[in-house]
Amino acid sequence: EIVLTQSPGTLSLSPGERATLSCRASQSVSSSYLAWYQQKPGQAPRLLIYGASSRATGIPDRFSGSGSGTDFTLTISRLEPEDFAVYYCQQYGSSPLFGPGTKVDIK
Amino acid sequence: EVQLVESGGGLVQPGRSLRLSCAASGFTFDDYAMHWVRQAPGKGLEWVSGISWNSGSIGYADSVKGRFTISRDNAKNSLYLQMNSLRAEDTALYYCAKDSASYYGEGEFDYWGQGTLVTVSS
Repeated sequence: EIVLTQSPGTLSLSPGERATLSCRASQSVSSSYLAWYQQKPGQAPRLLIYGASSRATGIPDRFSGSGSGTDFTLTISRLEPEDFAVYYCQQYGSSPLFGPGTKVDIK
Repeated sequence: EVQLVESGGGLVQPGRSLRLSCAASGFTFDDYAMHWVRQAPGKGLEWVSGISWNSGSIGYADSVKGRFTISRDNAKNSLYLQMNSLRAEDTALYYCAKDSASYYGEGEFDYWGQGTLVTVSS
């Protein structure tokens, strides 16, 4: 059974800074089946990245995904005020699984 | 515009049952797999169940297997979750989510509803 670990648990940054979020799997995940979601308080999750590195429709290019195997990264190149949220990675194989999340908050 | 609207949540006693519904619009419902995902208060996301476009492939999280049943009615553009033997730990906001693929396990979750709250308490 795959376990997803996200780090850090909380990332405190200022607008304009770069955010680097990590998602590590306990065993290899097909890159085709790794996604990232953003969730703001009181809102449903929103798909950001699928296939490890493809941006979903309407997602700004400051969001990028990379990685393969067991290590994946979500990078936000320059944080905008609306980017402060919780971010979840997900592997969507036969038993979809979400990581515990990384909260990006304002420093 | 894709819309997913969940309903059926509420307060229920432990051991009782509840049926959630998700009404879909804005896309060809019977082309895509669908899922239920839940979020306990203040906690992260937990996949609950998924169903392929033709109901031919279904999956459940271990935490709900044997108690919950997912189904769909493509003629009504609707997804359902029958929840039996409810426990306090099933208390959560339940989201309906659209898969980007026809078979569950092959696609990301590209659209989500706003959720319906289920509270299990005596």
